[in-house]
Amino acid sequence: GAVVSQHPSRVICKSGTSVKIECRSLDFQATTMFWYRQFPKQSLMLMATSNEGSKATYEQGVEKDKFLINHASLTLSTLTVTSAHPEDSSFYICSVPTSTEAFFGQGTRLTVV
Amino acid sequence: GQSLEQPSEVTAVEGAIVQINCTYQTSGFYGLSWYQQHDGGAPTFLSYNGLDGLEETGRFSSFLSRSDSYGYLLLQELQMKDSASYFCAVRSQGGKLIFGQGTELSVKP
Repeated sequence: GAVVSQHPSRVICKSGTSVKIECRSLDFQATTMFWYRQFPKQSLMLMATSNEGSKATYEQGVEKDKFLINHASLTLSTLTVTSAHPEDSSFYICSVPTSTEAFFGQGTRLTVV
Repeated sequence: GQSLEQPSEVTAVEGAIVQINCTYQTSGFYGLSWYQQHDGGAPTFLSYNGLDGLEETGRFSSFLSRSDSYGYLLLQELQMKDSASYFCAVRSQGGKLIFGQGTELSVKP
């Protein structure tokens, strides 16, 4: 199956700063990747669809200017949380879909202080 | 809208069999998947049903009835390491996954 590497695994940042999270598909060319967010003891909520070479598609209620997604190659998608606030503290996970399943990165635990 | 329902928690003993049910209401259905997630970790794929019926993978089986918008995950010969959260997820167009709220399974000795 596809191997998905996500970096960093943990990050602490100050309120008002920006954080970039990388998601790499190591052995699978991914024209599409997904970004999810998960708060403690809750489900994974789809934030956006990252499309290689074109604009990301955001789910309702997700601010596209706050969560910038770039998918410049078939193996790399990045999520930048801009002007982070404490309420953005969460677990962010990317995934690469195949025809029947999805492979997830290790996740990034973001803490905004 | 889209919604999935599954029990919030289930407790069972080692060696037992447990069934986690999932009902769904979605627009656009391309299959039902199950994922396991341990505390602090990423979800890992367990099973996928694109068509009605039973899929078996080792100790885990999954069932789907599209006419009833219903599926379940069956875990046999439970082990302590099976204690985790289990999510059903509907696969929609383009490979998007819409997740249920998750079922926390506790396996007791």
